[in-house]
Amino acid sequence: AQSVTQPDIHITVSEGASLELRCNYSYGATPYLFWYVQSPGQGLQLLLKYFSGDTLVQGIKGFEAEFKRSQSSFNLRKPSVHWSDAAEYFCAVGPNDYKLSFGAGTTVTVRA
Amino acid sequence: SAVISQKPSRDICQRGTSLTIQCQVDSQVTMMFWYRQQPGQSLTLIATANQGSEATYESGFVIDKFPISRPNLTFSTLTVSNMSPEDSSIYLCSVEDGATNEKLFFGSGTQLSVL
Repeated sequence: AQSVTQPDIHITVSEGASLELRCNYSYGATPYLFWYVQSPGQGLQLLLKYFSGDTLVQGIKGFEAEFKRSQSSFNLRKPSVHWSDAAEYFCAVGPNDYKLSFGAGTTVTVRA
Repeated sequence: SAVISQKPSRDICQRGTSLTIQCQVDSQVTMMFWYRQQPGQSLTLIATANQGSEATYESGFVIDKFPISRPNLTFSTLTVSNMSPEDSSIYLCSVEDGATNEKLFFGSGTQLSVL
């Protein structure tokens, strides 16, 4: 069975500060790993994904994530957050691009 | 990338009634998916809907409760039948786009509240 844990329900960060969102997964084989962002009233948007290759993945909006097999983690980072990064972030795992199991999400608040 | 229109965007329904949610895509897609996002919880895949075949349901979801139609390559419906307050969720349609790196696109969802 596949599952995802996002330990942080809510994170508050100052604009311009760095951000790291944690994600731990459970999966029996080599997983597809994803980070999605959901802004209020919007659908989910893919930030980045990993399946193979370089374990440091670059995504859109200045986000990156690092796959660490030994820790079963896929943490999302951004060096300097903008007020527009306030949203809910979901980590997901699956056997392919489509049948995903999502974490419970982390809500990011950006303060001025 | 695919553009997904989902209707209604929100609804408030009475217990015991049924609601049909529509998902329209601006391009032909093979696979469409229906997800549920319960309050404070993560998204859960309900079923996969392929045109020309019956939907494939995930564990915990059954056709009698969530009948799905897929009449063509650009449209699908999900019906939430005999609703109870526990069905209050956001229901999201998603589609595959094999032509791009972002393989799975999501609509903005239908927020359903059952009284």
